[in-house]
Amino acid sequence: QPVLTQPPSASASLGASVTLTCTLSSGYSNYKVDWYQQRPGKGPRFVMRVGTGGIVGSKGDGIPDRFSVLGSGLNRYLTIKNIQEEDESDYHCGADHGSGSNFVVVFGGGTKLTVL
Amino acid sequence: EVQLVESGGGLVQPGGSLRLSCAASGFTFSSYWMSWVRQAPGKGLEWVANIKQDGSEKYYVDSVKGRFTISRDNAKNSLYLQMNSLRAEDTAVYYCARIRARYCSGGSCYSGPLDYWGQGTLVTVSS
Repeated sequence: QPVLTQPPSASASLGASVTLTCTLSSGYSNYKVDWYQQRPGKGPRFVMRVGTGGIVGSKGDGIPDRFSVLGSGLNRYLTIKNIQEEDESDYHCGADHGSGSNFVVVFGGGTKLTVL
Repeated sequence: EVQLVESGGGLVQPGGSLRLSCAASGFTFSSYWMSWVRQAPGKGLEWVANIKQDGSEKYYVDSVKGRFTISRDNAKNSLYLQMNSLRAEDTAVYYCARIRARYCSGGSCYSGPLDYWGQGTLVTVSS
């Protein structure tokens, strides 16, 4: 099954842009990744799914247009433009693996985004 | 509005048992795969278990196999996680989540994201 790697932290100034990265382990370049936002003290919230062709399917409920995704090789990116205070959150990436007789979900370690 | 509300968490001694519940509303519960995901204090998310719409398929992370059992009652719109032989490393906030879709054909499967999550219930395993 794939391993997802995320940098532990990122920061950006209010109104700026930031790109978060989730890297799949070797051999899994065709996998789609799901991005989740988790505000302090809250449950995770689905943001959107990304493959090498960009967004897959629809965004999660209430996700603003400031959020976008791209995929390239083993990397899956989440970009947030015009960062707002409410974007300060932990961002997790996840992917499902398996078919038929197996079905697991793996997550990266998460990236804590600080808004300066 | 989709809502998932977990309950049943608390303090339990090592080796003890606990049963978590997740009450679902705002969607046709019996039409969706469901998941349990946990998060240890200050750590990332860890998937725990999945269950098919009719309960006929269940999958677990290796660390809980043989100790945890996922189940559901579609008549009550409820998801459960029976946790036995609890260990200190099971201490975490436990979330239930809905899987947007999953279908299989010809040996390959498509799965959607975990598109709705609850607010979580804290399980603390300590003496």
